[in-house]
Amino acid sequence: DAGVIQSPRHEVTEMGQEVTLRCKPISGHDYLFWYRQTMMRGLELLIYFNNNVPIDDSGMPEDRFSAKMPNASFSTLKIQPSEPRDSAVYFCASSSQLAGIYNEQFFGPGTRLTVL
Amino acid sequence: QQPVQSPQAVILREGEDAVINCSSSKALYSVHWYRQKHGEAPVFLMILLKGGEQKGHEKISASFNEKKQQSSLYLTASQLSYSGTYFCGTFTSGTYKYIFGTGTRLKVLA
Repeated sequence: DAGVIQSPRHEVTEMGQEVTLRCKPISGHDYLFWYRQTMMRGLELLIYFNNNVPIDDSGMPEDRFSAKMPNASFSTLKIQPSEPRDSAVYFCASSSQLAGIYNEQFFGPGTRLTVL
Repeated sequence: QQPVQSPQAVILREGEDAVINCSSSKALYSVHWYRQKHGEAPVFLMILLKGGEQKGHEKISASFNEKKQQSSLYLTASQLSYSGTYFCGTFTSGTYKYIFGTGTRLKVLA
C-alpha cells in the first residue's frame, strides 16, 4: 500500500487566495483526520470523518475553513480566503476501528502551506 | 484542554533511559504515543487501552494509569534513532475527542 497520500507537498499563496489541500487515505480505512501543526500551537485536530461523514469539526478555526469527503478515497480541506496566520503544516491521517477500539493513525507526509 | 507532557525537552547520551509523561485533565479511554522526526510526519509507537491492554511495534514500553489520567512512555537503552519529538494522543471517555499532547523533544547524543 502506498500509505496516505497528500497533495500538494508545498503551497505558497498570497493572502486572500483560495487554497485546497487534498488527501487520499489508506484503502479500507474508515476514519480520516485533518491536523494542523505550528510551533506555537502544536498538533491540532481540525476535523475527522467516519465513513465519509464529518463527526467532529469543533477544531475548525473559523468559517474560512471547510472540509469534504465525497467518497472513501478522497478528502479536501479548503481555506477561503487564506490569511498569513494559516501558514502551517497540514497533515491528513487515516485509521480503522477494530472491535470498537481506535487503531493507530497513519499520517501522510503533510502539506507545508505558506500564505504571504 | 490539551494534555500536558513532561519534560518539555530532554537530552540523553546513547544507552541512557528516559521517561516521558502525559497528563490529562479529562478521563481517558485510550492513549496513543507517536514520534515525529524533524520535517517528517508523526509515526505510531504504541496504543494503551483501559484495562491495561497494549499494542506496539517497537521495543518501547508504556503505562496507563486510568485513575490518574496519566500515561508514561519508557525509553530504555536509548539509541540515536530515538531522537525526535514525542506526542501522546488521547481519546477522552464519553466524548471520544482526540487531542494531542504538548510534545516532548528528545535528543540522543553519541
